Amino acid sequence: NAGVTQTPKFQVLKTGQSMTLQCAQDMNHNSMYWYRQDPGMGLRLIYYSASEGTTDKGEVPNGYNVSRLNKREFSLRLESAAPSQTSVYFCASSVRFYPTNTGELFFGEGSRLTVL
Amino acid sequence: GNSVTQMEGPVTLSEEAFLTINCTYTATGYPSLFWYVQYPGEGLQLLLKATKADDKGSNKGFEATYRKETTSFHLEKGSVQVSDSAVYFCALTQAGTALIFGKGTTLSVSS
Repeated sequence: NAGVTQTPKFQVLKTGQSMTLQCAQDMNHNSMYWYRQDPGMGLRLIYYSASEGTTDKGEVPNGYNVSRLNKREFSLRLESAAPSQTSVYFCASSVRFYPTNTGELFFGEGSRLTVL
Repeated sequence: GNSVTQMEGPVTLSEEAFLTINCTYTATGYPSLFWYVQYPGEGLQLLLKATKADDKGSNKGFEATYRKETTSFHLEKGSVQVSDSAVYFCALTQAGTALIFGKGTTLSVSS
């Protein structure tokens, strides 16, 4: 079972370059999320999509854009990468958004991004 | 706003030792509480949850009790194994909000 698949797993960028992180889930989930994980900071929500056709900002949205391409796919774009965006990025999905969601998120394996 | 505070790590234990990882929260109303675990090189996965006061979540020998009077959800295990070495995250959610995670606590168990 694939679950949540993220690509690429590793990427090195130069400051100012752009890139898109791809995420796809095969569990027919309605809601999808992008988090970043930094040492000593835990996971912080960047953007989420409660349902197909909607996206909303999370805690740290600056410097990012997202697209909910369809029910399966949710991409994260860095238009002009900065060293502060060096992080591990996780995509996640859930059956529904809160409050009806059970709270269980299914995570991908992460994408490690380094911006020089 | 809502927040989660976990004990600082790393926590280093010998196999078969007792584990406690403290978690306290700040929230209005009645949040649902969770523990997630992240094994090396993997994404997070749900370990256990509790949705109302005095509920006890349990899984794989781990337990946590939702204590509203102390706003806590401490994770415990009676006898840890090397395979429990991971990062543990406490999290909460309330109606209409996405999951909020604590900063994580790294557990290292040696044989």
